[in-house]
Amino acid sequence: EDQVTQSPEALRLQEGESSSLNCSYTVSGLRGLFWYRQDPGKGPEFLFTLYSAGEEKEKERLKATLTKKESFLHITAPKPEDSATYLCAATMDSNYQLIWGAGTKLIIKP
Amino acid sequence: DGGITQSPKYLFRKEGQNVTLSCEQNLNHDAMYWYRQDPGQGLRLIYYSQIVNDFQKGDIAEGYSVSREKKESFPLTVTSAQKNPTAFYLCASSRHKSMNTEAFFGQGTRLTVV
Repeated sequence: EDQVTQSPEALRLQEGESSSLNCSYTVSGLRGLFWYRQDPGKGPEFLFTLYSAGEEKEKERLKATLTKKESFLHITAPKPEDSATYLCAATMDSNYQLIWGAGTKLIIKP
Repeated sequence: DGGITQSPKYLFRKEGQNVTLSCEQNLNHDAMYWYRQDPGQGLRLIYYSQIVNDFQKGDIAEGYSVSREKKESFPLTVTSAQKNPTAFYLCASSRHKSMNTEAFFGQGTRLTVV
């Protein structure tokens, strides 16, 4: 069964404490791996798309990486404004539909 | 500013009532989507449309209906047949018909059954 699993469900960090969020996927023929940020009561906002293992993309304090089984969202020296739920999703070769993970809620304490 | 507008932000439905959620985009995107978001679960696809006057069922279409009479508009009706409609509903659009591209989301509508 095609599946996307995110861990941990929630992560609390002190401001400046770097860490990583995990997105593991079991899909038949990965087409693309997407990361989104969602603030409470709002719609998700696009961050990155990764298409092949070994690819990396960066934006400010965030860096997304991709292997053949999982993707990581690394956050370096986070600030309180980085607090949000981070969602990942994958598309497959077979039907191009998006499969979403349940998200990781990140809380950065000042 | 270009974007997706969902309305209303909050909606209350009585038992046995149909309600319609509005979604409008001015991004000139071909594809539009409706998702449902419940706590602790990933987004689930209700319906999607890749072109005007055409739409397809997603994973959880039962109890919902849509129309796509204009490129800019993709309203979702939650019918009385949907037994558990309380959720956060998200509308999205993308430039290309494939879901393998960046999606732009509206701010969501929170529907509550009273």
